[in-house]
Amino acid sequence: DAGVTQSPTHLIKTRGQQVTLRCSPKSGHDTVSWYQQALGQGPQFIFQYYEEEERQRGNFPDRFSGHQFPNYSSELNVNALLLGDSALYLCASSFIGGTPEELFFGSGTQLSVL
Amino acid sequence: AQSVTQLDSQVPVFEEAPVELRCNYSSSVSVYLFWYVQYPNQGLQLLLKYLSGSTLVKGINGFEAEFNKSQTSFHLRKPSVHISDTAEYFCAVSDPNTGGFKTIFGAGTRLFVKA
Repeated sequence: DAGVTQSPTHLIKTRGQQVTLRCSPKSGHDTVSWYQQALGQGPQFIFQYYEEEERQRGNFPDRFSGHQFPNYSSELNVNALLLGDSALYLCASSFIGGTPEELFFGSGTQLSVL
Repeated sequence: AQSVTQLDSQVPVFEEAPVELRCNYSSSVSVYLFWYVQYPNQGLQLLLKYLSGSTLVKGINGFEAEFNKSQTSFHLRKPSVHISDTAEYFCAVSDPNTGGFKTIFGAGTRLFVKA
């Protein structure tokens, strides 16, 4: 049973560029949440997708956008990258009808903005 | 809005000693509470969760936590730690009134187990 997979594992971009991160949820899961984890900090909630729509959003600017596909996989897009966007981006999946918010995490994408 | 405070950023402890990692959350009528562990270069893994019922919750790897509503705390404990328990531990909370979505994490506590 495949868990949550994220790609790529590492990424280096320069300021002003755009980036797309990808996530495939655990088999049987229908909800994908994205988190940003800066060095030495806890994960910060970006947004959550269910039924191809954004359900909730954290305190992140509109430069952060996402998408969920019919197969439940998801993308996180960040435009006009800033140095402060350097972080580990974590994807977590869950099942709406299952245990409330038992999140299953991928290993993350390490984004470095130079 | 919900928030979580982990009172210790780092906890060094000798192998086979007991450990307690402290967590307080902002007050709410009801909450779901979680502890997650993160090993180096990995995502987070659920250790245990409190949804309702018994205030003492047992999780994987010998960890347990106690929900204290009056103290708004959810401290994590293990009676005897191993070197392999060295990791970052995150306390998290979500609001069941919103369907349990938008889990909020604390800043983390780094547990360092010494031989």
